[in-house]
Amino acid sequence: SFELIQPLSVSVAPGQTARITCGGNNIGSKNVHWYQQKPGQAPVLLIYKDSKRPSGIPERVSGSNSGNTATLTISRAQAGDEADYHCQLWDINTGVFGTGTKVTVL
Amino acid sequence: QITLKESGPTLVKPTQTLTLTCTFSGFSLSTSGVGVGWIRQPPGKALEWLALIYWDDNERYSPSLKTRLTITMDSSKNQVVLTMTNMDPVDTATYYCAHRDVAVAGAFDYWGQGTLVTVSS
Repeated sequence: SFELIQPLSVSVAPGQTARITCGGNNIGSKNVHWYQQKPGQAPVLLIYKDSKRPSGIPERVSGSNSGNTATLTISRAQAGDEADYHCQLWDINTGVFGTGTKVTVL
Repeated sequence: QITLKESGPTLVKPTQTLTLTCTFSGFSLSTSGVGVGWIRQPPGKALEWLALIYWDDNERYSPSLKTRLTITMDSSKNQVVLTMTNMDPVDTATYYCAHRDVAVAGAFDYWGQGTLVTVSS
């Protein structure tokens, strides 16, 4: 089965840039979606189809996908960005989520 | 405005069957390209996709759980039901239902609040 590997945790200073990776075999050939999940809350869609932002998501949140790695980038990090982040894709007709990354804004 | 809400038991015993209902509003499950999926999250762990039903009644299941899951829809009631048989303590998790749309390349763009199900005797 398809696996998506994310770092367990990422730390970022306020105002700096956080990059969260999602690794998978030839992931660049698939559409990758990203979700943010704050404690006790349901996930929220941040990025779909590698780099597209739903309405209401700020431009400082961006995504890219190539080769074996998809990346979520959060620029000018704020305290409110502290959350868990999950990547997701469809492998034929099977949904796959990544292992999840906890982002801490120090 | 799209909303979804999960309902069902909070506690089930091992070997029992779990039945969860997702009641939604703001969209029709008869609209081409739309689906409703179920995703779960054990405490402190990652999200796990379970099942999906499409507007045309096609169903998709997690390969590892396929033999235990059934997903159905009642478009007239705006509900999607998930049943999971032979529950085990490792199935303890928060269960979410979510709206999936081809307009966002198949991402889950709206989620319910989730319901915590504990499996214990």
